[in-house]
Amino acid sequence: DIQMTQSPSFVSASVGDRVTITCQASQGISNWVAWYQQKPGQAPKLLIHTASTLQSGVPSRFSGSGSGTDFTLTIISLQPEDFATYYCQQAHSFPITFGQGTRLEIK
Amino acid sequence: EVQLVESGGGLVQPGGSLRLSCAGSGFTFGAYWMGWVRQPPGKGLEWVASIKQDGSDKFYVDSVKGRFSISRDNTRNSLDLQMNNLRADDAAVYYCARGFLTGYYYWGQGTLVTVSS
Repeated sequence: DIQMTQSPSFVSASVGDRVTITCQASQGISNWVAWYQQKPGQAPKLLIHTASTLQSGVPSRFSGSGSGTDFTLTIISLQPEDFATYYCQQAHSFPITFGQGTRLEIK
Repeated sequence: EVQLVESGGGLVQPGGSLRLSCAGSGFTFGAYWMGWVRQPPGKGLEWVASIKQDGSDKFYVDSVKGRFSISRDNTRNSLDLQMNNLRADDAAVYYCARGFLTGYYYWGQGTLVTVSS
């Protein structure tokens, strides 16, 4: 199984800050990574797929990069609505696996 | 408008069974991979199972193999998850989701499964 090691597990930041979340796959997965945002009581929301493709309707302050084993989600100029939990997910092979999640809180 | 609506969750005793259903609308149901993702209370996301467009391929996380069965009926635009021999660690919100390689874009609202005596 492919393990997705996500870090940090928690980050505290202020409105306007830049935040980077990383995910490392236990083996090469090309660019088959998706990133999700989840707020309490809601289903996850797809932000980025295939490592760097921004889903339609997602603000351009979100970006993704990486290939192989190392992937990054970057949020520039944090907005109040961005405080949530973020997950990476690999779609390279079954079983599909998610990272442990990163909780982004307001400082 | 694409909609996925789950049903069938509830309280079940350890060792019991439940059948979850997901009704899809607003898209050509049979054209997409479908899957189930669960989230135990206060914890992260876990993929459970996926099924190919025509139902010919099915995949499961190891922890549910032999106990859970995913199926679909493209004539009724429905996705099911039969869950047998339920354990305490199966307790979670279960989401139905559409997609595979390019991520899960559409999700249902989730249905809560509680396993307790």
